[in-house]
Amino acid sequence: DGGITQSPKYLFRKEGQNVTLSCEQNLNHDAMYWYRQDPGQGLRLIYYSQIVNDFQKGDIAEGYSVSREKKESFPLTVTSAQKNPTAFYLCASSMRSSGANVLTFGAGSRLTVL
Amino acid sequence: EDQVTQSPEALRLQEGESSSLNCSYTVSGLRGLFWYRQDPGKGPEFLFTLYSAGEEKEKERLKATLTKKESFLHITAPKPEDSATYLCAVQGPSLGAQKLVFGQGTRLTINP
Repeated sequence: DGGITQSPKYLFRKEGQNVTLSCEQNLNHDAMYWYRQDPGQGLRLIYYSQIVNDFQKGDIAEGYSVSREKKESFPLTVTSAQKNPTAFYLCASSMRSSGANVLTFGAGSRLTVL
Repeated sequence: EDQVTQSPEALRLQEGESSSLNCSYTVSGLRGLFWYRQDPGKGPEFLFTLYSAGEEKEKERLKATLTKKESFLHITAPKPEDSATYLCAVQGPSLGAQKLVFGQGTRLTINP
């Protein structure tokens, strides 16, 4: 079945460490996204990519980095510069068009800073 | 500024007790309004897309409607398995390609 796989599901980080969250999709979607979800807040866009080797900052990109070397993969690195990284991270993908497209989400990765 | 506000934040109903969730939005030139369902610890699952005022869509016990300022998610005779957080999101041309603005969600609990 087609879908999005995020790993790991749970991740613990010590302060000062960088961590990388994996996101792989087999839906043949061109566009991929990373969102952050905090309790009581809406999903906030971190980064998105519409095509291989290209990506744009979202609303809260500071302290994060991404790469898009393959169509299927869009890993997110949470760097030590991110001051409050504890959150639930969601990867999504969609077809690329100028209209309104449905996002398909992965199951999420929960990051906790110790 | 594009904005989405959902109400109430939380809602408890008895099984079979119908109600509605509200999503108020401000966006210049709506391209689409989306409803998602999210179970605890999981990713959101797509329910509906609405494109223009007056449009309605149904799926099982859920019905979504859209006006120029808000959308309602009506739930008829809910069952305990309908318990989840329901998210609303909008997309408009000012947001750039495929960027969505999400509301904070409504946490729905259906008691048996």
